[in-house]
Amino acid sequence: AQSVSQHNHHVILSEAASLELGCNYSYGGTVNLFWYVQYPGQHLQLLLKYFSGDPLVKGIKGFEAEFIKSKFSFNLRKPSVQWSDTAEYFCAVRPNFGNEKLTFGTGTRLTIIP
Amino acid sequence: GAGVSQSPSNKVTEKGKDVELRCDPISGHTALYWYRQSLGQGLEFLIYFQGNSAPDKSGLPSDRFSAERTGGSVSTLTIQRTQQEDSAVYLCASSLGSLGTGELFFGEGSRLTVL
Repeated sequence: AQSVSQHNHHVILSEAASLELGCNYSYGGTVNLFWYVQYPGQHLQLLLKYFSGDPLVKGIKGFEAEFIKSKFSFNLRKPSVQWSDTAEYFCAVRPNFGNEKLTFGTGTRLTIIP
Repeated sequence: GAGVSQSPSNKVTEKGKDVELRCDPISGHTALYWYRQSLGQGLEFLIYFQGNSAPDKSGLPSDRFSAERTGGSVSTLTIQRTQQEDSAVYLCASSLGSLGTGELFFGEGSRLTVL
């Protein structure tokens, strides 16, 4: 079965700092990869996704993620964070066939200090 | 509706009581998912529906948990004889067809507290 690891539980940054949140998955086959974000008091929403093709994917609000197959990683990045990026970020993986289950990591809480 | 609707938003119950949580997916979405979000545990998959059938119910923690979906729309998650460890936020999500579309749309969740 697939699994997802997010090693950073809580990250605190100042505005304009660069961000990288780690995500590693465990699965032997082809996968689809996702980042979801949950802003305070709001529901989870999709930030970006990777299905195939260019391993560097761009999402909403200036976020991007790079799929590195050899490292089983899908790290989330943003060059310059804003206070409004304060939220919880979840990485998720799904095998690219059959099983529809989306497996989430435990999440990373991001706090941006103005 | 415009989004996934869940009710109740908050439920406080006593240990041993049964609870029902309701999910109303986005109109036309055939796939429906239940997840549980506990502090420090991330999102735990419970069950998935395609139409009214549940191809994957592998995540239900025990036989106290059950779910059904009727008319390819509303779903109910039932927890019998609740225990304190059932306290969590129960999230429902729906998607258009299979996950091939790439996106789950989540509701705001039902927060369950078992005293």
